[in-house]
Amino acid sequence: KAGVTQTPRYLIKTRGQQVTLSCSPISGHRSVSWYQQTPGQGLQFLFEYFSETQRNKGNFPGRFSGRQFSNSRSEMNVSTLELGDSALYLCASSFGTGDNQPQHFGDGTRLSIL
Amino acid sequence: AQSVTQLGSHVSVSEGALVLLRCNYSSSVPPYLFWYVQYPNQGLQLLLKYTTGATLVKGINGFEAEFKKSETSFHLTKPSAHMSDAAEYFCAVSGSGTYKYIFGTGTRLKVLA
Repeated sequence: KAGVTQTPRYLIKTRGQQVTLSCSPISGHRSVSWYQQTPGQGLQFLFEYFSETQRNKGNFPGRFSGRQFSNSRSEMNVSTLELGDSALYLCASSFGTGDNQPQHFGDGTRLSIL
Repeated sequence: AQSVTQLGSHVSVSEGALVLLRCNYSSSVPPYLFWYVQYPNQGLQLLLKYTTGATLVKGINGFEAEFKKSETSFHLTKPSAHMSDAAEYFCAVSGSGTYKYIFGTGTRLKVLA
């Protein structure tokens, strides 16, 4: 069974640009969550999508947005990139939305802002 | 509000020695607790989870954790460390209704030969 797939693995952008990251969940999983990982702030929750609807959102500015498609694949978009957006962005999927369900993580997209 | 505290950002043990990584949580509701491991340049891999039932939870790679409500702890242990256990370990809690997971700051485990 294929795991969570994130593309691309690495990205280099400059300040002011925008970027779109993609996540394909495990087959049959309908919940997709996104996290930002940085050395200073650790792992922080961005948002969760289920059945194409955003269920929860973390404490990030509106420049961070996402969406989910009918096949459960998800994209995350960051506009007007800032140096502080440099991070590893992790996507995780789970079968449902229950808090007791473990999430399965992809290997992440490492975004570097110049 | 929920929170997770991992004591010790770096832990070193000798190969074959006991591994003990500490996690304390704060939650106003019965928590669901998880331990994940992250190897360099990889995502997080689930080691074990506590949802309900038995308080001693066994996971993969010989790890286990015990949920102690009275101490609000969920420490991760392994009787005998192996070189391949060197990685970063994260404790997480869910059930806040707002954030999917709240993660601890992580503990980097170093295994000495």
